[in-house]
Amino acid sequence: DVKVTQSSRYLVKRTGEKVFLECVQDMDHENMFWYRQDPGLGLRLIYFSYDVKMKEKGDIPEGYSVSREKKERFSLILESASTNQTSMYLCASSPTVRGEKLFFGSGTQLSVL
Amino acid sequence: GENVEQHPSTLSVQEGDSAVIKCTYSDSASNYFPWYKQELGKGPQLIIDIRSNVGEKKDQRIAVTLNKTAKHFSLHITETQPEDSAVYFCAASRRGDSWGKLQFGAGTQVVVTP
Repeated sequence: DVKVTQSSRYLVKRTGEKVFLECVQDMDHENMFWYRQDPGLGLRLIYFSYDVKMKEKGDIPEGYSVSREKKERFSLILESASTNQTSMYLCASSPTVRGEKLFFGSGTQLSVL
Repeated sequence: GENVEQHPSTLSVQEGDSAVIKCTYSDSASNYFPWYKQELGKGPQLIIDIRSNVGEKKDQRIAVTLNKTAKHFSLHITETQPEDSAVYFCAASRRGDSWGKLQFGAGTQVVVTP
């Protein structure tokens, strides 16, 4: 069974902290994505990566960065967490670069206090 | 860029009845339209998708229809069951667009009451 695993289900951080959200996939997909889910706004793309060490900005990259050192692992970094980054973060992988047929992890609910 | 609107935001149906969720999109060049289902505590899961060269697609109790002229597409669930209770998201993207530019709707909370 294909799997995308996010390291934490719930995370509580303080304003100004540096936050790392980790994601691992076991499907050997080239393409990985980070989405943010907020009520009434659906899923919004933060960053994606189409190859190791390659990345592209999505629709809302401000305040975030990413790292992809290995094919199976894609990390989202909040350089200095702010309260408006309190949200559900979803990692996904896909066999296609256009993000078709996304496989999602279960999400990390991040609270920034 | 693409804008996807989804209605209704919540939908309550009796078990056994049908449910319909509608989405409209703004970019006439969009040609790929997936639907995702998100159960409580889980990530979204692809349940069905359709491309612009097809008007309708069915998979057991779910179907998607596409009207390119009106720029809207719909998800139909027949004979609803309690396990159909979830949040459903529509999305749209276009071939040739760069890198993973799926645009999602805001989601529909479906509640199936026994």
